Amino acid sequence: SQQGEEDPQALSIQEGENATMNCSYKTSINNLQWYRQNSGRGLVHLILIRSNEREKHSGRLRVTLDTSKKSSSLLITASRAADTASYFCATDAGDDYKLSFGAGTTVTVRA
Amino acid sequence: KAGVTQTPRYLIKTRGQQVTLSCSPISGHRSVSWYQQTPGQGLQFLFEYFSETQRNKGNFPGRFSGRQFSNSRSEMNVSTLELGDSALYLCASSSGLANTGELFFGEGSRLTVL
Repeated sequence: SQQGEEDPQALSIQEGENATMNCSYKTSINNLQWYRQNSGRGLVHLILIRSNEREKHSGRLRVTLDTSKKSSSLLITASRAADTASYFCATDAGDDYKLSFGAGTTVTVRA
Repeated sequence: KAGVTQTPRYLIKTRGQQVTLSCSPISGHRSVSWYQQTPGQGLQFLFEYFSETQRNKGNFPGRFSGRQFSNSRSEMNVSTLELGDSALYLCASSSGLANTGELFFGEGSRLTVL
């Protein structure tokens, strides 16, 4: 079963707009990661936020983590056509050497 | 530095056959994980290997097996294929020294079972 649930399932925005997607999870975590997947390809790591961190930035990406609500959000600012992809949150919940992935948010950036 | 390499990229099998997928991790990485991705179930963890030892296994039937060699390369095998095994199989590598840090994924092996 999946640990995380992502919202929305799909998102369509205009180039230059911001895209926000959310991830909720069920158990305590060590860290939460976000990955991007272009259609049918492998996943690319975007950012990792540890359980004792509340916010992290990387380029046009901003991730927040609220462990009290067991939720995280990913904000992509000034979106580009190349940001069109599926975005997955993944949680590391303990000493089990695996990540549990959410169902993903499909983002379409219109030119 | 070369990335994670998975072979073959695409394959078609028929029900009842078996398949072996290969994964070469990034040089120096000792951990290899396997995930199955389907439209219905999303990304599901199969197993993780570190220095030839399986450290964790997901909830898949015994038809799914894997192994890791001394050079960290890994293979997974699915026997007695079923239609539901059609999926993108993704391999990921990491140093394996921390519990779970960033994973580096290959492009996947897309299996179609007819």
